[in-house]
This record gives sequence, structure tokens and C-alpha cells, in this order.
Amino acid sequence: EPEVTQTPSHQVTQMGQEVILRCVPISNHLYFYWYRQILGQKVEFLVSFYNNEISEKSEIFDDQFSVERPDGSNFTLKIRSTKLEDSAMYFCASEPTSGTGYEQYFGPGTRLTVT
Amino acid sequence: AQTVTQSQPEMSVQEAETVTLSCTYDTSENNYYLFWYKQPPSRQMILVIRQEAYKQQNATENRFSVNFQKAAKSFSLKISDSQLGDTAMYFCAFIPQGGSEKLVFGKGMKLTVNP
Repeated sequence: EPEVTQTPSHQVTQMGQEVILRCVPISNHLYFYWYRQILGQKVEFLVSFYNNEISEKSEIFDDQFSVERPDGSNFTLKIRSTKLEDSAMYFCASEPTSGTGYEQYFGPGTRLTVT
Repeated sequence: AQTVTQSQPEMSVQEAETVTLSCTYDTSENNYYLFWYKQPPSRQMILVIRQEAYKQQNATENRFSVNFQKAAKSFSLKISDSQLGDTAMYFCAFIPQGGSEKLVFGKGMKLTVNP
């Protein structure tokens, strides 16, 4: 069965450095998402992406964050200058079609540790 | 505000028994979708069951069923005949139908099934 994959599984970076988290969504899916979960807290929505543009973003998704689908298969989340509070598990998800209420398929996550 | 509350952080159950996981939510929307996601240790989140708010009939998927009480804004998950493989984090989530695609999650609940 097709799965969403994410790399790396764990990323350690120093404060102020740029990081790129990578995701490969399921191939025929059209909607893409990033969520994050700070340890011990809720999974929070960051951004949704459709038709090569951001369709919705949360207040967390400020100018330090960007997303890209550079080659039609990868979906990346870039954090330009990481802060300690960016330490979290980052989940990518994809969805097959439009319409609210369809299943979002999640990747295994990337654990980002900012030191 | 649209929020999801899972008041029980952790539960355990004996194999073959039945367990109910509670979830309440808050929204001003009338139509929305509710979900239970399961995240086994070191694995990605997978959808367990989905309920459309305009449907009165409670959703069922094999050993998993929900008790959806719209007026009370309650959406509990019942797992019958618990199996060791049910050990996981369980997240309650919903999508309001107002054009948003983002999932709003609860904090999650750790379920352990003991042999």
C-alpha cells in the first residue's frame, strides 16, 4: 500500500540554522499538509498546499517557514532560522482529492531538535 | 474557538476486553467531520474511523465504533475485543466544513493493551 515518507527521521540543528524537512506524498494525491507536535502538546496544523500554492496557513506559519513542491514528487518544509521552540515532531500528510472530510494520510514524522 | 479535548491521557485494558476512549469538541459549525487516528509506537498516524456530523447513525469499522452525541459535542471511540496491536496513541480530530481542510487535534491518549 502506498505510504507517505519523510526524511530525515531525526534532525539535530543549531539555533539560527536553516533546515529543510522532506516529504514524499502518495503519488496521485493533490492536497498536502504539514503539522507539528511539540513534545507533550497537541498536533497543530501549520499549512496546506494545493495546486502549487498555499491554500491555508496557521499563525504559527510565519515568515520563517516556507513550503515547496519543487519536482512534482517532493514536498518540503523549510525553516529559515531555527529557534529552540521549533523543536518538535513534524508530520507531513497528503489527501487524494478535494472536499472536506477525506482521509489525510500521514508520514512517520521528522523529529527536529534545535540546540 | 474550535478545540478538541481528550481528558484521559492514558488508559490500559486487558486483551479481549472492551475499552472506550472519550473525546469532546467545541465548534460553532453545524456540519463537520470527526476522526479517530491511531499512532502505533514509531509508526505513522492512520485513520481508524470517520463520522460525518450530519449523519445520525454512528460509524463502525469492524471492532471499532463511535458514540457520536452531536448535542453534547461528544465523540467517543469504543474498541471491542482489544488486541495487543491496538496499543497506540489515539488522537481525536475534526475538520469544520467551512472550507477549511485542516485537522484540529486533541492531545491524544495512550492506550496499552495488556496480555
